[in-house]
Amino acid sequence: DAGITQSPRHKVTETGTPVTLRCHQTENHRYMYWYRQDPGHGLRLIHYSYGVKDTDKGEVSDGYSVSRSKTEDFLLTLESATSSQTSVYFCAISWENEQQFFGPGTRLTVL
Amino acid sequence: QQQVKQSPQSLIVQKGGISIINCAYENTAFDYFPWYQQFPGKGPALLIAIRPDVSEKKEGRFTISFNKSAKQFSLHIMDSQPGDSATYFCAASEGKLIFGQGTTLQVKP
Repeated sequence: DAGITQSPRHKVTETGTPVTLRCHQTENHRYMYWYRQDPGHGLRLIHYSYGVKDTDKGEVSDGYSVSRSKTEDFLLTLESATSSQTSVYFCAISWENEQQFFGPGTRLTVL
Repeated sequence: QQQVKQSPQSLIVQKGGISIINCAYENTAFDYFPWYQQFPGKGPALLIAIRPDVSEKKEGRFTISFNKSAKQFSLHIMDSQPGDSATYFCAASEGKLIFGQGTTLQVKP
């Protein structure tokens, strides 16, 4: 998985609780991305980062925030989890904002 | 608003046959078209990619055909094998990747 780890790999939480997912890379790639994958929707971009402390919104950013304080770490936070955020979350990295390498994913269930 | 439409949703092919997955896009500013392969429980992995100045790209048994005027591109898997059974995603990029909905391919032995 191109030097990308995601933690946790599985999480079950309750509606209304905050959740933070972590993406860690050892490749020193500039760009990092968070996607969610849902049946029938492919992968949809939530947020992305083009450098330390530089982030921007993607297609489905409502209810999510991100932070990148170090090149190697990109955090995704669900401020108050809802059942509609039950999904598989993938982190990806890219050197030049084209060819993206994906992590192993985090399966999140919000009850 | 689905900017990249992928079909079929699922596909069953006999071993040795040709698998064909199609994608259509709307935004003429897209300048990079990758295909990703995903096995269950794994993240997507880049399979092959093409730029709009090329009509075809081949890597082993995998070929992308690109029709700029029709705004369509397709993935052809020649001599399909059971190990090719996976979900395939097309995507298009104008700086950010927009993915198709995915095609689940099953290759029967």
